[in-house]
Amino acid sequence: EVQLVESGGGLVKPGGSLRLSCAASGFSLSDNNMNWVRQSPGKGLEWVSVITGSGASGRSTSIYYADSVRGRFAISRDNAKNSLYLQMNSPRAEDTAVYFCARDRGSLGAFDIWGQGTMVTVSS
Amino acid sequence: DIQMTQSPSTLSASVGDRVTITCRASQSISNWLAWYQQKPGKAPKLLIYKASSLESGVPSRFSGSGSGTEFTLTISSLQPDDFASYYCQHYNTYLRTFGQGTKVEIK
Repeated sequence: EVQLVESGGGLVKPGGSLRLSCAASGFSLSDNNMNWVRQSPGKGLEWVSVITGSGASGRSTSIYYADSVRGRFAISRDNAKNSLYLQMNSPRAEDTAVYFCARDRGSLGAFDIWGQGTMVTVSS
Repeated sequence: DIQMTQSPSTLSASVGDRVTITCRASQSISNWLAWYQQKPGKAPKLLIYKASSLESGVPSRFSGSGSGTEFTLTISSLQPDDFASYYCQHYNTYLRTFGQGTKVEIK
């Protein structure tokens, strides 16, 4: 079964750090563009970051971030563990949200597979 | 960055109603648009991709149309399971953005 499972959420202090994980099963994460999307309580969806797939050809990976997190968050991937990560550095109260990982369909497509989400609360 | 504007933000309707949600892009995105349904406490679910292509397993009462900057999601006959929030999203570039969402409520 094709599935994404996030973990690592919790309570973090402003200025601290937290690493979110997203474990993939049923497909190779490295063959696909993988994204993080977040949703603050009672609010809409916000795209956070993408790491492009390298695929069988081993093409180079590109990374992009939303302006709201650029310079503070870092997306990465461990192909051996088939896992995606989001390193959250210097989080702020406004980063409090449910964080979802999601797969692109194709080289640049709609998000066809989503994880269940992991809650991050930034508070002192 | 491309901005996506959805309307209305809330919609009250009855079972059996025809419902239309509009999404406008700040610049042309061709047909690189998706629609998602989200229920409380759940992850979004892909309904429509490439503006008008129905995702496998999604009921045919859902349809999408449009290209360029104007898009619509239509539910031909609203069912009890359809009361949820709906989001549009462009994928014209890697810097994806979502519309602010439309909550479909029971009238």
